[in-house]
Amino acid sequence: DSGVTQTPKHLITATGQRVTLRCSPRSGDLSVYWYQQSLDQGLQFLIQYYNGEERAKGNILERFSAQQFPDLHSELNLSSLELGDSALYFCASSVSSGQETQYFGPGTRLLVL
Amino acid sequence: KNEVEQSPQNLTAQEGEFITINCSYSVGISALHWLQQHPGGGIVSLFMLSSGKKKHGRLIATINIQEKHSSLHITASHPRDSAVYICAVNSGNTPLVFGKGTRLSVIA
Repeated sequence: DSGVTQTPKHLITATGQRVTLRCSPRSGDLSVYWYQQSLDQGLQFLIQYYNGEERAKGNILERFSAQQFPDLHSELNLSSLELGDSALYFCASSVSSGQETQYFGPGTRLLVL
Repeated sequence: KNEVEQSPQNLTAQEGEFITINCSYSVGISALHWLQQHPGGGIVSLFMLSSGKKKHGRLIATINIQEKHSSLHITASHPRDSAVYICAVNSGNTPLVFGKGTRLSVIA
């Protein structure tokens, strides 16, 4: 158990819908990272927050947004869902923002029908 | 942007065999990470290294900065080592760039 929690574990929804994925980092970790893992692309970095502020942005679609709250939990919002958004979404956390070990949550498996 | 290549893509071994998984990257890095993804999907960080060699139990990770290459070795492999092993790199505070992973199956 990494200490990072993600909810929900599984999510099935329809095209055009909007969903929210939630992540709670390990106690004391200030950075939260979001990753997408699809079958054909592998793991891709989406976005990083550090102590409530956006720190780095990857290949995140404009339909996707995220935020980190004062209690350091984070939410990833996916809207106008398309079939191609079906993937595993992982959250990871680390103590600060540099090069250091990241601790991954169990992931949310999203299926868009 | 860094390109990360792993080989082999798939590997089947008999229990007890010594296993090597390779990772090459195209641009200088600050750190290289080895991750293990279990069949259920969960990801565990195995090693983070920027030089030399690290060992944890039956796992050994090495890195050659000049050659931009890292290897992950598993000694006395066991069926519970069956997983996808993923190499990832970053430079300074840049985000991780991942390889596509090596799928390992260890047969009893």
